[in-house]
Amino acid sequence: EVQLVESGGGLVQPGGSLRLSCAASGFTFSSFWMSWVRQAPGTGLEWVANIKQDGSEKYYVDSVKSRFTISRDNAKKSLYLQMDSLRAEDTAVYYCTRAGYLTLNWFDPWGQGTLVTVSS
Amino acid sequence: QSVLTQPPSVSGAPGQRVTISCTGSSSNIGAGYDVHWYQQLPGTAPKLLISGNNNRPSGVPDRFSGSKSGTSASLAISGLRPEDEADYYCQSYDSSLSYSVVFGGGTKLTVL
Repeated sequence: EVQLVESGGGLVQPGGSLRLSCAASGFTFSSFWMSWVRQAPGTGLEWVANIKQDGSEKYYVDSVKSRFTISRDNAKKSLYLQMDSLRAEDTAVYYCTRAGYLTLNWFDPWGQGTLVTVSS
Repeated sequence: QSVLTQPPSVSGAPGQRVTISCTGSSSNIGAGYDVHWYQQLPGTAPKLLISGNNNRPSGVPDRFSGSKSGTSASLAISGLRPEDEADYYCQSYDSSLSYSVVFGGGTKLTVL
């Protein structure tokens, strides 16, 4: 069974840092683009970042550029999101999702999500 | 303000057919990028419903169908069931920003 399990969410003060992790299983992790998508409370989905199979290409939504870093460890079948200089508007459930085989495509499957709350 | 525009809500009675529109522009849907649809049941993670404009992943009932034309796409749900009550999102890519993923704002489907 293809599965993604996020961890690392929690409460952090504005300006603080947090590192999210996503453990993948049931598929050849190193063959797929991977992404993070977030959902602020009561709102819609917002794409955050993509990373290519070998980590050579990374893309971010403008609002997180220079603050967030997406990375992966193919040997550990894990995806990460390092979040620095956190702001209240970063409060959201963060989902890890598989984004495509040869090229970026649809998102499937999705993890269960991990909640990040930025508040003093 | 989402790049892709969806109606905030739609509703229908059990057994009826509803459609949800997703309107984009010449830099995303109109540029030839595929449209994908997701269903998010209350309190759960999104789930892929339609891929590549009109393809149903294994396990998705054929009551769900997708289409695309010009700068817009649509999701149709026929034979509405109470368990279809959920939020629905369209997704594509935009050529104006490198590898930028764009989502619609979401549509809340209420089964009356």
